[in-house]
Amino acid sequence: GQSLEQPSEVTAVEGAIVQINCTYQTSGFYGLSWYQQHDGGAPTFLSYNGLDGLEETGRFSSFLSRSDSYGYLLLQELQMKDSSSYFCALNQAGTALIFGKGTTLS
Amino acid sequence: DTGVSQNPRHKITKRGQNVTFRCDPISEHNRLYWYRQTLGQGPEFLTYFQNEAQLEKSRLLSDRFSAERPKGSFSTLEIQRTEQGDSAMYLCASSLALTGGNGYTFGSGTRLTVV
Repeated sequence: GQSLEQPSEVTAVEGAIVQINCTYQTSGFYGLSWYQQHDGGAPTFLSYNGLDGLEETGRFSSFLSRSDSYGYLLLQELQMKDSSSYFCALNQAGTALIFGKGTTLS
Repeated sequence: DTGVSQNPRHKITKRGQNVTFRCDPISEHNRLYWYRQTLGQGPEFLTYFQNEAQLEKSRLLSDRFSAERPKGSFSTLEIQRTEQGDSAMYLCASSLALTGGNGYTFGSGTRLTVV
């Protein structure tokens, strides 16, 4: 089977940098995605890593290391509006996204 | 196109009743997914369609659950003989096939409360 682990909560201050880690177990996958979800809202797509390395999109960056079964989401210049839940998700062949349990950023 | 639309937004039903939810995906997306989310958890996969074909069903989808996507457009998710454990947010998402880089577009969900 497949599974993802991420911290349940992370706390940071405005203007700081925060990293949300995600470790996974899977037999094969296309890549790792990140989604943001505000309370009561729809998950929204943030970033995707199909290859190892860093992907940067504005204040958000995401990293993947297949050899370490590990990825992270990096949020820079934190703003109050970034307070939200963040989910990592596995993109696998022939099936739908499998999500982690989420990290609440305060 | 206004994104993925789900109706109703909220549904309260008595235990044992049947409920049906509707999802209208982004029109050019050929894949449609149903997820269930409970408080403090990530979305849990239920089932997905490519066009009108239902390609996969999770073991979470008991025989009380059925989903359809006639003509490959909108989809419905029906729960028969609802139980209190069915109380959750039911999320629908759509995407193009082989779209890892572009992600899924989710609707705002239908919150089901079984009393």
